[in-house]
Amino acid sequence: DAGVTQSPTHLIKTRGQQVTLRCSPKSGHDTVSWYQQALGQGPQFIFQYYEEEERQRGNFPDRFSGHQFPNYSSELNVNALLLGDSALYLCASSLNRGDYTDTQYFGPGTRLTVL
Amino acid sequence: AQKVTQAQTEISVVEKEDVTLDCVYETRDTTYYLFWYKQPPSGELVFLIRRNSFDEQNEISGRYSWNFQKSTSSFNFTITASQVVDSAVYFCALSGPTDSWGKFQFGAGTQVVVTP
Repeated sequence: DAGVTQSPTHLIKTRGQQVTLRCSPKSGHDTVSWYQQALGQGPQFIFQYYEEEERQRGNFPDRFSGHQFPNYSSELNVNALLLGDSALYLCASSLNRGDYTDTQYFGPGTRLTVL
Repeated sequence: AQKVTQAQTEISVVEKEDVTLDCVYETRDTTYYLFWYKQPPSGELVFLIRRNSFDEQNEISGRYSWNFQKSTSSFNFTITASQVVDSAVYFCALSGPTDSWGKFQFGAGTQVVVTP
């Protein structure tokens, strides 16, 4: 049973560029969440996708956008990269339970460095 | 707003010692879930345990145990007879209906260093 996969593993970009990160959820999961983890800090929630729509969003600017595809995989796009966007980006998948939470299972992350 | 506090930045122990990680949370929700995750140097967050707010029974799973006390809003986690492979950053997380269940609020993490 494949777990959550993310690509690429590492990425180096320069300020002002745009980046796309990809995530495939665990088999059987229909919900994908994205988190940003700066060095030495806990993960910060960016947004969550379910049924191809953004269901919930954290305190991140509109430069951060996403998409979910019919096969439940997801992309995270970041435009106009800033130095402060350098971080580990984690994708988590879960099963929508409606009125309670399901455990989120995380992928290995994408390490983004902005120069 | 929901908040999770892990006051311990780093804990260093010698192998076979027990390690207890503290987690204090704030929430206005009456129903919520609490989690512990482990993040080894590879970076992937590994799910360890989950507890809902209605069940304060403390349990043991292998070398892991947890102490959930709603009265003090604490959800502490213990590793018994630590091993070098337990070296990692451990995160406590909270999820509830205030955030539509989707957002996990994480603490800052506690670095555990186990030396032989």
